[in-house]
Amino acid sequence: RKEVEQDPGPFNVPEGATVAFNCTYSNSASQSFFWYRQDCRKEPKLLMSVYSSGNEDGRFTAQLNRASQYISLLIRDSKLSDSATYLCVVNGGKSNTGKLIFGQGTTLQVKP
Amino acid sequence: DTAVSQTPKYLVTQMGNDKSIKCEQNLGHDTMYWYKQDSKKFLKIMFSYNNKELIINETVPNRFSPKSPDKAHLNLHINSLELGDSAVYFCASSQGRGTNYGYTFGSGTRLTVV
Repeated sequence: RKEVEQDPGPFNVPEGATVAFNCTYSNSASQSFFWYRQDCRKEPKLLMSVYSSGNEDGRFTAQLNRASQYISLLIRDSKLSDSATYLCVVNGGKSNTGKLIFGQGTTLQVKP
Repeated sequence: DTAVSQTPKYLVTQMGNDKSIKCEQNLGHDTMYWYKQDSKKFLKIMFSYNNKELIINETVPNRFSPKSPDKAHLNLHINSLELGDSAVYFCASSQGRGTNYGYTFGSGTRLTVV
């Protein structure tokens, strides 16, 4: 089983749609969770951290379910500029090495 | 002002050659990383240094050798390049060893071995 699993997609949605991505992780000791965004041929950029209580940043909402080891990202009112690959990221567990494990990413294509 | 800068951006070289990739960060972070992104887009950690100390050394061929002269620099030297080394190599940095704030990545070095 992969340490971080995501549906690679692609998800093709019209502008204005709401889209949700899910991710599962295997290490129950993981403590830190993030969503990164990667545009084609660019570096990954931090989109948002994911907190136990859930958190929102504008049109983006992230949720964490520790019991199910599941993370989600909801994008409301999709824009053309949201087209990118979204990477689910978790830390490597209890050891304090700073290691982050990246999922394969879910590709989103927002169409006019 | 680029926060994490890598050079070169593109590198095309023949099998068997030795090459180096350089990384510098001006964020004041004390931990730096090398990640490899293969053709299937998986990002996998290779090495990490904290204040010049090697703290993560994943299972990579010993042809790959990182060097950190100070906490703002982390270089990657690759000996005897093979076709399978073709990938995008990303340098990243973070504050502390913890993962509270995530990483800042450089723009990547696209290595092609022919």
